[in-house]
Amino acid sequence: NAGVTQTPKFRILKIGQSMTLQCTQDMNHNYMYWYRQDPGMGLKLIYYSVGAGITDKGEVPNGYNVSRSTTEDFPLRLELAAPSQTSVYFCASSYRLAGGTGELFFGEGSRLTVL
Amino acid sequence: GQQVMQIPQYQHVQEGEDFTTYCNSSTTLSNIQWYKQRPGGHPVFLIQLVKSGEVKKQKRLTFQFGEAKKNSSLHITATQTTDVGTYFCAGRPGNQFYFGTGTSLTVIP
Repeated sequence: NAGVTQTPKFRILKIGQSMTLQCTQDMNHNYMYWYRQDPGMGLKLIYYSVGAGITDKGEVPNGYNVSRSTTEDFPLRLELAAPSQTSVYFCASSYRLAGGTGELFFGEGSRLTVL
Repeated sequence: GQQVMQIPQYQHVQEGEDFTTYCNSSTTLSNIQWYKQRPGGHPVFLIQLVKSGEVKKQKRLTFQFGEAKKNSSLHITATQTTDVGTYFCAGRPGNQFYFGTGTSLTVIP
């Protein structure tokens, strides 16, 4: 059972380039999330999804796009990369409980640097 | 917007001392979860609290959820070097999960 898998683990981008961070989970979780974590800071929610075909904005969605065509995959697209997007990105998933959600399972993170 | 604040931001303790971190939300939460992140690692789930006034214990860790479901605390008794890391609370007012700012714990042997 692989859990939540993120690729790539590291990436350096030039300003203005675009890229997609991949996230796959094999736990059949309904809920998936993308967070970013800046050095010494907490996690900020970028986008989330409550099921295939459904996505919604979090706290810091500007400059990012997501899609959720399957239960397993939740890619994060960065368009026109900017230095402010230098961060560690975490994908997470959780199952749905009556009245709430279960624990979040995190991927190992993708460290992105924009120069 | 939703804000979940934690204090203190940093805490240095001598091994064997106790440690407490506090989490405060600007809105009422459906539940609250606590996570630990080791340096260079990813957050790992510790516990979830759902009921108003709930208290849960895991060995040396004690978790509390406030009566108004707007605050929570994590207390570690007799810290050990393995407790080093950043502790986050995470609250769910809706479908979103908002993380607190975190408390970084350093344990001095």
